[in-house]
Amino acid sequence: ELKVEQNPLFLSMQEGKNYTIYCNYSTTSDRLYWYRQDPGKSLESLFVLLSNGAVKQEGRLMASLDTKARLSTLHITAAVHDLSATYFCAVDSSYGGSQGNLIFGKGTKLSVKP
Amino acid sequence: DTGVSQDPRHKITKRGQNVTFRCDPISEHNRLYWYRQTLGQGPEFLTYFQNEAQLEKSRLLSDRFSAERPKGSFSTLEIQRTEQGDSAMYLCASSPREGALLEQYFGPGTRLTVT
Repeated sequence: ELKVEQNPLFLSMQEGKNYTIYCNYSTTSDRLYWYRQDPGKSLESLFVLLSNGAVKQEGRLMASLDTKARLSTLHITAAVHDLSATYFCAVDSSYGGSQGNLIFGKGTKLSVKP
Repeated sequence: DTGVSQDPRHKITKRGQNVTFRCDPISEHNRLYWYRQTLGQGPEFLTYFQNEAQLEKSRLLSDRFSAERPKGSFSTLEIQRTEQGDSAMYLCASSPREGALLEQYFGPGTRLTVT
């Protein structure tokens, strides 16, 4: 059974600081996704990572994937208050297939303080 | 296109009642997914459709839950004889069939409260 673990689950940062969120998963998968969720809102897609060594960047966020280690990271550079949200990683459970059923981690609740 | 829409956004019901939720996917997407999210947790997969065919159901989907997608367009999720443990946010997502990304676009969700 595919399991996805994120850490930390809670992260309080000061503005301007850097930090990394980690996502480990238990079995081989084709695709890894990062989503953002604001309180009471739905999920917003941030990144889709398909291959080993994939790196994607958008603004202050950069995501990477190491399929051999079954690890993805979401790096935050020079955090600002607007990044405060819960971040989820999700892994496609259908390796070699194409169902697209996602298994989510528990999320990392990020709070950026001035 | 305005994205995935869900109706209603909020539903309060008494234990034992039946409820039905609707999801309208992005028009050119032929895959549709239902997830459930409880407070402080990530979404959990419930079921998915490709066009009108329901191709997979999670073991979380007890026999009180049923989902349909007639004609491969909108979908409904019905919960019969609701229990307090059914209280959650029910999220719908859609994705195109083709393409390596299979990126799922989520709707705003329906928040169910069972009293």
